[in-house]
Amino acid sequence: DTAVSQTPKYLVTQMGNDKSIKCEQNLGHDTMYWYKQDSKKFLKIMFSYNNKELIINETVPNRFSPKSPDKAHLNLHINSLELGDSAVYFCASELTGNTEAFFGQGTRLTVV
Amino acid sequence: AQKVTQAQTEISVVEKEDVTLDCVYETRDTTYYLFWYKQPPSGELVFLIRRNSFDEQNEISGRYSWNFQKSTSSFNFTITASQVVDSAVYFCALSEAFYGGATNKLIFGTGTLLAVQP
Repeated sequence: DTAVSQTPKYLVTQMGNDKSIKCEQNLGHDTMYWYKQDSKKFLKIMFSYNNKELIINETVPNRFSPKSPDKAHLNLHINSLELGDSAVYFCASELTGNTEAFFGQGTRLTVV
Repeated sequence: AQKVTQAQTEISVVEKEDVTLDCVYETRDTTYYLFWYKQPPSGELVFLIRRNSFDEQNEISGRYSWNFQKSTSSFNFTITASQVVDSAVYFCALSEAFYGGATNKLIFGTGTLLAVQP
C-alpha cells in the first residue's frame, strides 16, 4: 500500500496548457505539502496545508493553485504552463507535531 | 535566516571506502529539527534520520552514522564501507516550524551526489 501517492508520475505538455497533479495519502496525516525540485536538484517548498487550510504559500506564481478537498488529498493545478515550470513536483504529508514528512514518488513535469 | 549548506557537490569513492557528507546549518531558533534524505537514481526521496536540537548524541544505524555538533552547527553523515547501492544524491534539511508546529517547512541543502564505484 502506497503511503503518499501522486498521479501522474510523468507529465509532458505544451506551453500554455493547464494541468493538474493529484496527491493522496492514506496515513491519516493532517498536513500536506508541495515541493518543487528544479533541474539542478534544488528542493523548495511551494505550499503547505493543515486540516485543509493553506498555511504556507512560498511566493509561488498565482498560476499555481493548490486545492485540498479533504485532509487526505492535496492537488496542484497549474495554468498557462511555461517552460520554466518543468521540474519534479513532490507531495508530502505529516502528522501535526511529528515533523517527519513522508514524500510521494514525485511527478516529473516537462513543458515543451 | 534559515539556511543549509552542503559544500560538497559531488563525491566519488571506491566501494568499501568510508565517506563523510558534510552539512552546516544556520538558524535563529532554539528548537529545530535536522534531517537527511537520500534520493537514488529512481528519484524518490527516502527519509534517513531526524534529529532534534536538544539531542546531540551521535547515532549509528548499520553502516550509517550521524555526528551532530551544535557548537559548529554541523550535522555530518558518514557511510562506512560504502556500497554501489549507496550511490545517490543526499540532502540535508532543516525544519522551520510555523503556527506552533501546525506545519513545518523543510529547508534543503543543495545536495551531495555520491558515486560509489565498484
